Amino acid sequence: QVQLLQSGAEVERPGASVKVSCKASGYTFTTYYIHWVRQAPGQGLEWMGVINPSGGSTKYAQKLQGRVTMTRDTSTSTVYMELSSLRSEDTAVYYCARAIGSTSYNWFDPWGQGTLVTVSS
Amino acid sequence: QSLLTQPPSVSGAPGQRVTISCTGSSSNIGAGFDVHWYQQLPGTAPKLLMYGNNNRPSGLPDRFSGSKSGTSASLAITGLQAEDEADYYCQSYDSSLSGVVFGGGTKLTVL
Repeated sequence: QVQLLQSGAEVERPGASVKVSCKASGYTFTTYYIHWVRQAPGQGLEWMGVINPSGGSTKYAQKLQGRVTMTRDTSTSTVYMELSSLRSEDTAVYYCARAIGSTSYNWFDPWGQGTLVTVSS
Repeated sequence: QSLLTQPPSVSGAPGQRVTISCTGSSSNIGAGFDVHWYQQLPGTAPKLLMYGNNNRPSGLPDRFSGSKSGTSASLAITGLQAEDEADYYCQSYDSSLSGVVFGGGTKLTVL
């Protein structure tokens, strides 16, 4: 079945960077865009950006421009999300999700299980 | 502040019907972009509940229904069950941000 498997929890210091992976299985990796969404403790969902696994093109949320980088490795069907200059407000569960439908009408299915990133000194 | 506004909480007794609203603007729902809904059980990842305004994924009971009109959308749940207690999020696209937007989420409590 279609599955997105994310890497494990991370604890980072303020100012550091974190890289979270999302390995896809059960479908043709290059056919569907992958989005990243994060959720701070007790808060709602925040869209971070999207990567096209086929060509590697990306689009990031304005708020995170300059700090977030999404890449992919087609040989392992894995996408990566790296967030730099971490601050305490970046403490959140980070999800990857497969996009279905045309670009401006995407919905997400399935989602990865989530990766908790804790930023603490 | 989310561009899509949802009530923070709704509640209902087992068997009752509840609705969750999602109010946007002319740059997202009102511009014709579809609304999708997700259910998030405590401690788990969000799960697709409704796509394209009113389409249920296969296997989802028809107790769940969606609608959209103007700058708003709604999710209705009939025959409320204890297992429906969760957080619900609407999602669309915003042309001014050129990106995906989510509602702030609604916590459904089954009394």
